Amino acid sequence: DADVTQTPRNRITKTGKRIMLECSQTKGHDRMYWYRQDPGLGLRLIYYSFDVKDINKGEISDGYSVSRQAQAKFSLSLESAIPNQTALYFCATSDRLDGVNTGELFFGEGSRLTVL
Amino acid sequence: QQQVKQSPQSLIVQKGGISIINCAYENTAFDYFPWYQQFPGKGPALLIAIRPDVSEKKEGRFTISFNKSAKQFSLHIMDSQPGDSATYFCAASLIWGGSRLTFGEGTQLTVNP
Repeated sequence: DADVTQTPRNRITKTGKRIMLECSQTKGHDRMYWYRQDPGLGLRLIYYSFDVKDINKGEISDGYSVSRQAQAKFSLSLESAIPNQTALYFCATSDRLDGVNTGELFFGEGSRLTVL
Repeated sequence: QQQVKQSPQSLIVQKGGISIINCAYENTAFDYFPWYQQFPGKGPALLIAIRPDVSEKKEGRFTISFNKSAKQFSLHIMDSQPGDSATYFCAASLIWGGSRLTFGEGTQLTVNP
């Protein structure tokens, strides 16, 4: 089983609909992230959470919200989806940065969202 | 505004050749420069990383070259193999080993047999 699991893997929705992408992890990491991947733009950070009570905006948070339900669960919501939110979305986790661990990101396999 | 610019966008190399991907950054406060590799249908995974006080780091066939004065770094893949065909992302962080990364645009590498 994957350490970082994203659901759904593929979703087609219509403009104006609310959509939630879910992420769960078994790595025991405190830190979780949502990235968006678009061709020619690379990966851009939407939101990140360093623990259950910590939520931070990334580069492109407008139009998105997140919820950290537990250490292992981090969901991304689009309250009213629009076509330019069509993209591949990745959840990632990392361990705390200390003298032993680095902040290596461990990614899920992605959720492809199409907004018509 | 892209703080880390990556080129080329796509690259085709013959088996056994050298693949070179370049990145340039603007923020001199960046202190950590990883490369991530992404195979089709998968999430990116850490490949190799370097800090700015080192000019070169080698792991097997993969080498990062770092030029602090030019604010550039590059990934060299020696003896490129078809299994290296993937998308490669350079990235940068303000903290050594930090997880808040700014990624480049990505390079799609195809290694022909």
